[in-house]
Amino acid sequence: QKEVEQDPGPLSVPEGAIVSLNCTYSNSAFQYFMWYRQYSRKGPELLMYTYSSGNKEDGRFTAQVDKSSKYISLFIRDSQPSDSATYLCAMTGAGSYQLTFGKGTKLSVIP
Amino acid sequence: SAVISQKPSRDICQRGTSLTIQCQVDSQVTMMFWYRQQPGQSLTLIATANQGSEATYESGFVIDKFPISRPNLTFSTLTVSNMSPEDSSIYLCSVSFSGGLEQFFGPGTRLTVL
Repeated sequence: QKEVEQDPGPLSVPEGAIVSLNCTYSNSAFQYFMWYRQYSRKGPELLMYTYSSGNKEDGRFTAQVDKSSKYISLFIRDSQPSDSATYLCAMTGAGSYQLTFGKGTKLSVIP
Repeated sequence: SAVISQKPSRDICQRGTSLTIQCQVDSQVTMMFWYRQQPGQSLTLIATANQGSEATYESGFVIDKFPISRPNLTFSTLTVSNMSPEDSSIYLCSVSFSGGLEQFFGPGTRLTVL
């Protein structure tokens, strides 16, 4: 079992839809959870990070962590064509800089 | 955040040759990292570039294959040595101001080995 599992998609939604992106993980030592957005032929861009369980909201983006289920989610409200990108989840333990990434989910938002 | 540049942005190389990739940051950073992103695979950490000392390599990566330099707090290089087609990948540097938790990535170097 890989440490981090992420459905690669592709995921295609109409503009204005609510998008749900998810990752599961197996290492209970993970405490920090990040979401990166990567446009084609660009480097990953940090969107949000959360610590332990709970929700964090930033504009149209909401990150959720459920440590009991080892499951994290990123919700995008009112999705826009500019949200079309690959979304990578990443996580690490306390005091560590070694990020473990999912493979990424490719999202297309159709106008 | 930081403005991070990488050179070259892409290259096509012959088997058996070496390529050095540069990473330049517009401000001093605590930590610099090198990653590999192969098609269909997770972003994988190669090594942490330590200023003034030898890099710290992750399991599966060795200094002879991926020598790294970091002469100061804003610059690092990664060399991919004795290349084979399996080294075809995107190589990315990342930086952190906060001990590695928030990492900011460069645009990447797309390498094709024939």
